[in-house]
Amino acid sequence: DGGITQSPKYLFRKEGQNVTLSCEQNLNHDAMYWYRQDPGQGLRLIYYSQIVNDFQKGDIAEGYSVSREKKESFPLTVTSAQKNPTAFYLCASSITGSGNTIYFGEGSWLTVV
Amino acid sequence: QQQVKQSPQSLIVQKGGISIINCAYENTAFDYFPWYQQFPGKGPALLIAIRPDVSEKKEGRFTISFNKSAKQFSLHIMDSQPGDSATYFCAATPTGRRALTFGSGTRLQVQP
Repeated sequence: DGGITQSPKYLFRKEGQNVTLSCEQNLNHDAMYWYRQDPGQGLRLIYYSQIVNDFQKGDIAEGYSVSREKKESFPLTVTSAQKNPTAFYLCASSITGSGNTIYFGEGSWLTVV
Repeated sequence: QQQVKQSPQSLIVQKGGISIINCAYENTAFDYFPWYQQFPGKGPALLIAIRPDVSEKKEGRFTISFNKSAKQFSLHIMDSQPGDSATYFCAATPTGRRALTFGSGTRLQVQP
């Protein structure tokens, strides 16, 4: 089936550790995105990429890093510099171009313990 | 900086009633306005979208009303059903940036 696959669904991290969230899509979309969702704050953009080997910071990029080595993959690393990483993380993709539908994955829950 | 303001934060409607969610934006460069529906533990899914060259768009029970001069747009759900109970997000895309800016969300509960 075509879609966006995020893994793991649930992840626990100890303070001071880096963790990487996986995002893979088989929709042949050029653009990919990472959003963070906190209760009552909607979705906030972390990073986005419109093409392989290129990405731009979103509104809350501090403490996060990404790579885009393949069209299908856009992993997000939550570094120890992110002071409040506990959240629901959503990966998305779209055909490049303004106004095209953005499709979301099922999300990954990250909890710091 | 919140560029899309959404209200109300929560909404309770009786089955068969009309649900209305409002959004206001500040950036006049926005040129695409979608609404997303999200069920608990799931990713958001596109519900309906509009561009500023039209004032209204209807798809089934869902209608977007758009007021360009007031920089406001709203979602109307007619004949609301319990299965519509979810969180709804408005969003907007500014020209030149492909990523969506989201409102803070409205949790809708439709009572049977």
